[in-house]
Amino acid sequence: AQSVAQPEDQVNVAEGNPLTVKCTYSVSGNPYLFWYVQYPNRGLQFLLKYITGDNLVKGSYGFEAEFNKSQTSFHLKKPSALVSDSALYFCAVRDEKKSSGDKLTFGTGTRLAVRP
Amino acid sequence: KAGVTQTPRYLIKTRGQQVTLSCSPISGHRSVSWYQQTPGQGLQFLFEYFSETQRNKGNFPGRFSGRQFSNSRSEMNVSTLELGDSALYLCASSFRRGPGTDTQYFGPGTRLTVL
Repeated sequence: AQSVAQPEDQVNVAEGNPLTVKCTYSVSGNPYLFWYVQYPNRGLQFLLKYITGDNLVKGSYGFEAEFNKSQTSFHLKKPSALVSDSALYFCAVRDEKKSSGDKLTFGTGTRLAVRP
Repeated sequence: KAGVTQTPRYLIKTRGQQVTLSCSPISGHRSVSWYQQTPGQGLQFLFEYFSETQRNKGNFPGRFSGRQFSNSRSEMNVSTLELGDSALYLCASSFRRGPGTDTQYFGPGTRLTVL
């Protein structure tokens, strides 16, 4: 069964500093990995995804993520945090096996707080 | 292009009632999935519909059901509501072109409160 772990409930950073939100995954086949962000009273907004190819994936709003197969990780990063980045971030995985369809398995979420 | 829309946005029901939530996917998207989000359980997959057929189902009781229409719009129904059904219900759509590589785009959700 596929699973995702986000080990930090909350990450605190100062505006202008780099940020990292951690994610590790477990699947039986090759993973398809996604990051979403959720602002209060809103749905999930897609940030980026890794399917295959370059391990460093660039996404929306200056975010990027690095796929590391040996460590089964897909950490989300941004070189310089903004106060407006404060939100709830979810990592998700989908197994490559076709029978999984579109189903995404999500981590528990990490709350990012960026202080001015 | 319009995003995923969900109606209603907020709903208050009492235990024992039933509720129907609606989702309109992004134009051209053929796959619709539903998720339940609660503080305790997080985001959990309910079911997925593609071409009017349920393709995948999560671990929820039979009180949770859904359907998809020929225009890809989807509804989910919860019968005999329980207090624990209070949650944000999210709908997501995708093109479903490839074997799991498509991005799902989410709607704003329907906040269901069961009293």
